[in-house]
Parts: sequence; structure tokens; C-alpha cells
Amino acid sequence: QKEVEQDPGPLSVPEGAIVSLNCTYSNSAFQYFMWYRQYSRKGPELLMYTYSSGNKEDGRFTAQVDKSSKYISLFIRDSQPSDSATYLCAMTRRDTDKLIFGTGTRLQVFP
Amino acid sequence: DAEITQSPRHKITETGRQVTLACHQTWNHNNMFWYRQDLGHGLRLIHYSYGVQDTNKGEVSDGYSVSRSNTEDLPLTLESAASSQTSVYFCASSEVGLLTPDTQYFGPGTRLTVL
Repeated sequence: QKEVEQDPGPLSVPEGAIVSLNCTYSNSAFQYFMWYRQYSRKGPELLMYTYSSGNKEDGRFTAQVDKSSKYISLFIRDSQPSDSATYLCAMTRRDTDKLIFGTGTRLQVFP
Repeated sequence: DAEITQSPRHKITETGRQVTLACHQTWNHNNMFWYRQDLGHGLRLIHYSYGVQDTNKGEVSDGYSVSRSNTEDLPLTLESAASSQTSVYFCASSEVGLLTPDTQYFGPGTRLTVL
């Protein structure tokens, strides 16, 4: 069983829709939870991170962590075609710099 | 502007050949990482380094080696390329944050095909 599970999609939504992307994990020692965005044929770039449980909002993006359920989410409001990319969740413990990545969910937002 | 670069961007080689992929960062970061990305597996850590002369094995290190002779560069060597090593390779660098997780900055990737 993988430490981090993520539905690969693809997820196809119309412009303006609310998008929900999710990951589950098995290691309760994870403390930092991140979302990376990867455009086609580019390297991943950090979108958001959260520490422990709770919500964090940044513009149209909201990251949510539920440690009791070992479940994290990324919500995208008013989705745009420019949001079309692969979204990877990643997580780590405080005492290590190594990230464990999900497989990524490919999102397509059509006009 | 500081950046991280990889070369070559595309490489086709034959089974059994030695291949070296270059990674260069100008942030002066101590930490550098090599990942491979494959469909269904996501990003998997190959090797990483926390500073000059320091190297460590990651999750999928067999058949790969790295050396760190300066802060800026971490070349990845495939000693004897195999078809199973056909993949997209990403280099990343980071600086440890005391209060926040270190942000890993990724290069643009090298697409390697082993025939």
C-alpha cells in the first residue's frame, strides 16, 4: 500500500466550477501537507502548504487537512482554463526534508 | 534571478551506456534532490544531498549514482542504462526553513529514453 493515495483522474470541469482534489495517507507522523501544480512538460511548483489540521486560503485556492481521517483536500473556486494542470499532493514530517508525493490528479478546465 | 536548470532536456540512449544528467542551481541551496516521474507512480526520490560531499539514497536508487563536489551542482549518473530507466527526471533544491517546511524548487525536467 502506498503511503499517499491520489486519484489520477482525469477530472474535466467547465470554467467557473468548484474543483475538489483529494489525497489520503497512512502515516500519522506527517505534519506538513503541500499541493504542487505541474503544467504539461514543466517541473512542479509549490501552490500551498498547511501545517497539521485546518484550512488555509489563498485567493481562489483553499487547502484543507483532516488529520483524524488522514485526508487532505484542495478546493479551487471559479476554476479557469489556466488551472488546467496536474495537481500533486505531498507531505512530510518536520524532522525530514524528504517529501512523499501522490501520483497527481490531472485537471482540465474547459471554456 | 536565481534558478535551477537541467541538461539535456531530452536524451535518447542505448541500453548499457553510461548517461549523466546535469542539474545546476543558483540559489546557493544546501539541499538537492533527484526524482523520477512515471505514470502511475508520481514522483519518486532517487538520491538526495544535504551539502557538499554528502549524498544519500532515496526510494529508487538502484542503478543511479550522484556526487556533490560543490553547492550548485548535483549530476545524476546512470551507470549502465536500462529500458526501465526511461522516464522524466526532475532535479530540485531547497533550503530548510526553521519555522516552515522547506520549499523544493524544481527544474524543468529531462526526458530520457533508453532503447
